Amino acid sequence: AQSVTQPDIHITVSEGASLELRCNYSYGATPYLFWYVQSPGQGLQLLLKYFSGDTLVQGIKGFEAEFKRSQSSFNLRKPSVHWSDAAEYFCAGQNSGYALNFGKGTSLLVTP
Amino acid sequence: NAGVTQTPKFRVLKTGQSMTLLCAQDMNHEYMYWYRQDPGMGLRLIHYSVGEGTTAKGEVPDGYNVSRLKKQNFLLGLESAAPSQTSVYFCASSFPLQGIYEQYFGPGTRLTVT
Repeated sequence: AQSVTQPDIHITVSEGASLELRCNYSYGATPYLFWYVQSPGQGLQLLLKYFSGDTLVQGIKGFEAEFKRSQSSFNLRKPSVHWSDAAEYFCAGQNSGYALNFGKGTSLLVTP
Repeated sequence: NAGVTQTPKFRVLKTGQSMTLLCAQDMNHEYMYWYRQDPGMGLRLIHYSVGEGTTAKGEVPDGYNVSRLKKQNFLLGLESAAPSQTSVYFCASSFPLQGIYEQYFGPGTRLTVT
C-alpha cells in the first residue's frame, strides 16, 4: 500500500541549530512528495514538493529536502532554525488517485 | 483572492445533531477534498470531488456525506453527530499541473461533539 511514515513524533532543536525531519515513503513508482507546515491553530502551508529531476529541492522559509530513492526517504532540512519555525510538519505523497497520503506529523519545538 | 475558506471556524454539537460544513474556493480548481485531523493521526481523507456534481469516498467516509453542486463549493454533512467525530476538519482544493495535484488548504473547522 502507498504510504508515508514520519518516524519522529517530536523533535526539539535549539535556536540556530540545524534541523532534519525524516520522512520515508512506500510507493511502487517514484512518487510525488510534499512537505507541509502547520502553525498552531492554522491550516497547512506547502513548503516544497518533489516530482522529478534534481533530487535536492528548495522551498520557502529556507527549507530544503533531498529525495533519496535508495533509502526511500525525503528528509526536510534547514541549516539554522528560528523560533518561528516551531510548528507541526507533515510529509505527504500523492497517491494513485488525486489525493495525498499524509504522515502522522512531527512536532518541532525550538528552545532558546 | 481569498483562496480556500471554511465556515464555521468552530462548532459544538450534541450527539445526534446534524450540521453542514461549507468549503469555498475562488481559484477555479476542479478537485476538492475534505480531511479530518486527529492528534497523532495526521490528516485522513474523508471524501473528495474531481469536479462539479461528482464525489468519491476517501479513507474514512463513514458518518459523512458530501455534495458538490457548484464548482467553487464543497459541503460536508454530518447527519447524526457522534463524539468520535470530534476533530479538526480541513478542506483543500487542487488542480493538476504536470500530473501533480498540489493542494491548497483552508484554515480548518474545529468541531466538538458532546
